[in-house]
Amino acid sequence: KAGVTQTPRYLIKTRGQQVTLSCSPISGHRSVSWYQQTPGQGLQFLFEYFSETQRNKGNFPGRFSGRQFSNSRSEMNVSTLELGDSALYLCASSPGTSGVLQYNEQFFGPGTRLTVL
Amino acid sequence: GEDVEQSLFLSVREGDSSVINCTYTDSSSTYLYWYKQEPGAGLQLLTYIFSNMDMKQDQRLTVLLNKKDKHLSLRIADTQTGDSAIYFCAEGGSQGNLIFGKGTKLSVKP
Repeated sequence: KAGVTQTPRYLIKTRGQQVTLSCSPISGHRSVSWYQQTPGQGLQFLFEYFSETQRNKGNFPGRFSGRQFSNSRSEMNVSTLELGDSALYLCASSPGTSGVLQYNEQFFGPGTRLTVL
Repeated sequence: GEDVEQSLFLSVREGDSSVINCTYTDSSSTYLYWYKQEPGAGLQLLTYIFSNMDMKQDQRLTVLLNKKDKHLSLRIADTQTGDSAIYFCAEGGSQGNLIFGKGTKLSVKP
């Protein structure tokens, strides 16, 4: 079974631009979560999509958005890029359980390294 | 709020045991997880523990959970150079996400 794939792997943008990152989950997985990883803040939850609907959202500004398609592939978009958006963006897929009571193994992709100049 | 804390660095010699510690705040988390991240790669689930367990052993890995103190540890026996990586402790968040610690970088010296 193929793992989670993310494209592109590396991206360089300048301030003010926008960017779209793509994630293809493991076949059969319906949930896709996005995380931002930085040296200072560690791994922070952006949002989760399940069956084309945003089910959960972290504390990020509205410049960060996402969507999920009917085949469970997901994209995230960052508009008006800032220097502080430079990070590794990780996508994780899971079968779709949710909540603190559920076993929630998430399978991570290799990430997209975004550098904002 | 939900928070997970862990020490940032650990250095051990090859063949020794490594112990990585973590504290968490959300006592309602039913599952707690340990993930490993190697350079240039995403996170890989190493092991997990159900909150009503005190200990779980999986080959060279031993997870200890002290629910009263909200303390979780990961012991790696006979640590090898291939174990060098960043190890993340995580708890299930109320939003269905995972709350991660900032990661402990394990360096194994030959």
